Amino acid sequence: QSVLTQPPSASGTPGQRVTISCSGSSSNIGRNSVSWYQQLPGTAPKLLIYTNIYRPSGVPDRFSGSRSGTSASLAISGLQSEDEAEFYCAAWDDSLNGFVFGTGTKVTVL
Amino acid sequence: VQLQESGPGLVKPSETLSLTCSVSGGSISSYYWSWIRQPPGKELEWVGYIFDSGSTKYNPSLKSRVTISEETSKNQFSLKLNSVTGADTAVYYCARLRGPYHYYVDVWGRGTPVTVSS
Repeated sequence: QSVLTQPPSASGTPGQRVTISCSGSSSNIGRNSVSWYQQLPGTAPKLLIYTNIYRPSGVPDRFSGSRSGTSASLAISGLQSEDEAEFYCAAWDDSLNGFVFGTGTKVTVL
Repeated sequence: VQLQESGPGLVKPSETLSLTCSVSGGSISSYYWSWIRQPPGKELEWVGYIFDSGSTKYNPSLKSRVTISEETSKNQFSLKLNSVTGADTAVYYCARLRGPYHYYVDVWGRGTPVTVSS
């Protein structure tokens, strides 16, 4: 059972802004940075955001990340059909002494 | 850097699951090389990592059954998970975990499905 909680689903129409939350605790998000991953059906996850806010080369600036206290968020602006995927947050957990992933959020483009 | 998993796709209950990850396009030195798994329809689960050819850290829930090792001369690292059950059925990914000040996975293998069944 994951220690990082995400809503199971989120949706929007093309062009809309969608936000996904990731709720943790003082032992993970509260003291360590957050990363976000996009997993298209049948493929390996892909790094979207690292160290809370940074995008790897090639990731569109439509994707943005933030962290506040023991929570983090991923925002997708200008939603596109190819954004339909599962999204995961992740962070190091000092109590578990391991890397933990969120429960995942399925984004649907209506 | 590219990663490629290899190993049996079917393992019998109570036996040992063994997978190898081949690293190409870069050195295996000085990174946290990880295994991550995903049971069918479920979330990702970090299994563990090996760093600097010998230092390891494992998911506490799997620690008693897991061994991750590295063969620097072949640019490979491996996973062994013993006493497997159906709960170990998953797609297994090898990955590069960046750290230690900010942890994130920046390179993933394509994943290899492993089924535990008699």
